[in-house]
Amino acid sequence: SQTIHQWPATLVQPVGSPLSLECTVEGTSNPNLYWYRQAAGRGLQLLFYSVGIGQISSEVPQNLSASRPQDRQFILSSKKLLLSDSGFYLCAWSAHLYSGNTIYFGEGSWLTVV
Amino acid sequence: KNQVEQSPQSLIILEGKNCTLQCNYTVSPFSNLRWYKQDTGRGPVSLTIMTFSENTKSNGRYTATLDADTKQSSLHITASQLSDSASYICGLGSNYQLIWGAGTKLIIKP
Repeated sequence: SQTIHQWPATLVQPVGSPLSLECTVEGTSNPNLYWYRQAAGRGLQLLFYSVGIGQISSEVPQNLSASRPQDRQFILSSKKLLLSDSGFYLCAWSAHLYSGNTIYFGEGSWLTVV
Repeated sequence: KNQVEQSPQSLIILEGKNCTLQCNYTVSPFSNLRWYKQDTGRGPVSLTIMTFSENTKSNGRYTATLDADTKQSSLHITASQLSDSASYICGLGSNYQLIWGAGTKLIIKP
């Protein structure tokens, strides 16, 4: 069966420091991968999605970047964190992009920028 | 503008009671509607996915309905349990995007 792992689960970072959140999927090949941010009281906001190795699409301009160095690995990064980057980040995968397939989410990463 | 609005924002019910959560949308065209359950501090878990041609879909005590004419969906929870305490998120899939509601926070009290 397929599983998705995301880490770290929680981190507290000072303003201006770098960020790296990592996500891996097991049990499937060529998944579509997503990074979402979830703010309190608001819907899931899609940050990046990827349909293949090295292929990254950004949905919103921001201080973050994403990379997909391997088929089942998705990384969210920042060179210099801002206070506004604090939030709950979710990695997810699906078999097909935007179709009726289920999107499977990781357990999330709480980021607090201080 | 494509939007998904969920109501109520929060709901408190007693264990064993039924409840219904609402999802109204203006997304057009749309191909599928999803309901997810999200425990506090965890990732969302899929409950149901319906295409625009389906009216109802069940997953245990959870039943989702869809009225494409009025652009409304509901999630009915039967015989609630303490473990049903969570946020419930509605998402609309169209050809090129998924639009999510802000969720309804459900609290089940013993």
